[in-house]
Amino acid sequence: SQTIHQWPATLVQPVGSPLSLECTVEGTSNPNLYWYRQAAGRGLQLLFYSVGIGQISSEVPQNLSASRPQDRQFILSSKKLLLSDSGFYLCAWVGQNREAFFGQGTRLTVV
Amino acid sequence: GQNIDQPTEMTATEGAIVQINCTYQTSGFNGLFWYQQHAGEAPTFLSYNVLDGLEEKGRFSSFLSRSKGYSYLLLKELQMKDSASYLCAVRATGGFKTIFGAGTRLFVKA
Repeated sequence: SQTIHQWPATLVQPVGSPLSLECTVEGTSNPNLYWYRQAAGRGLQLLFYSVGIGQISSEVPQNLSASRPQDRQFILSSKKLLLSDSGFYLCAWVGQNREAFFGQGTRLTVV
Repeated sequence: GQNIDQPTEMTATEGAIVQINCTYQTSGFNGLFWYQQHAGEAPTFLSYNVLDGLEEKGRFSSFLSRSKGYSYLLLKELQMKDSASYLCAVRATGGFKTIFGAGTRLFVKA
C-alpha cells in the first residue's frame, strides 16, 4: 500500500533562517505531489504541485520554492523565512480516484 | 475566479443528523471531495462525487448538483468523535489542482 512520509512534525525557526521540508512517498511510482499550507482556522492553500521529476508548478508567488529531485521525493524550501511563513504545511499525493492522501504535516512557527 | 463557500461553524447533538453545505464556483469541474480534519492533524479523505446524486458510505453521505454548484455532506448518528473540521474541495477540469474551502468546524455536544 502507498504511504507518505513528511518531516519534521514541528519546527520553530527564526526569521531569516532557511527552511527545508521533505516529503517522500512509498508504494507508488510517478505520483502527482503537492504542497499545501494551512493558516490557523483557514483552508488549505495550494503552494506547489509536481507531475514528475524536475517539474514544478507554482500557484502563489511567495518566499518559498519546491524541488523534485527524485520520483518519490518532494522538497519545500526557503532561503530566508518570514513571519508570514508560519503555518501548517502538508504534502499530499493524489490517488487513483483523484483523492488526496496527506502526510502528517509540519507545523512551522517562525519567530 | 475560483471560490468555495461553506459555513464556518456548526453545532449538533450526539445521535442527531447534521448537513454541511458547500457551494462552489470554479474554472471547470472534475470532482468534488469531502475531507475530515481533526485539530492538529492532516485531513483524511471521506467522499468523492463526480456525477449528480447521492453517494452513501456508512454514516456519511455526500450529495452533488453540478448545475447548482452545490454539495452537502450528511452525517448521521453523530458521535463525539465526529467533532472536527470538514473540508469541501473541488478539482478543476483537465488540471492537477484541487481547491479547498476554508472548512466547517463541527462541534458535537452530548
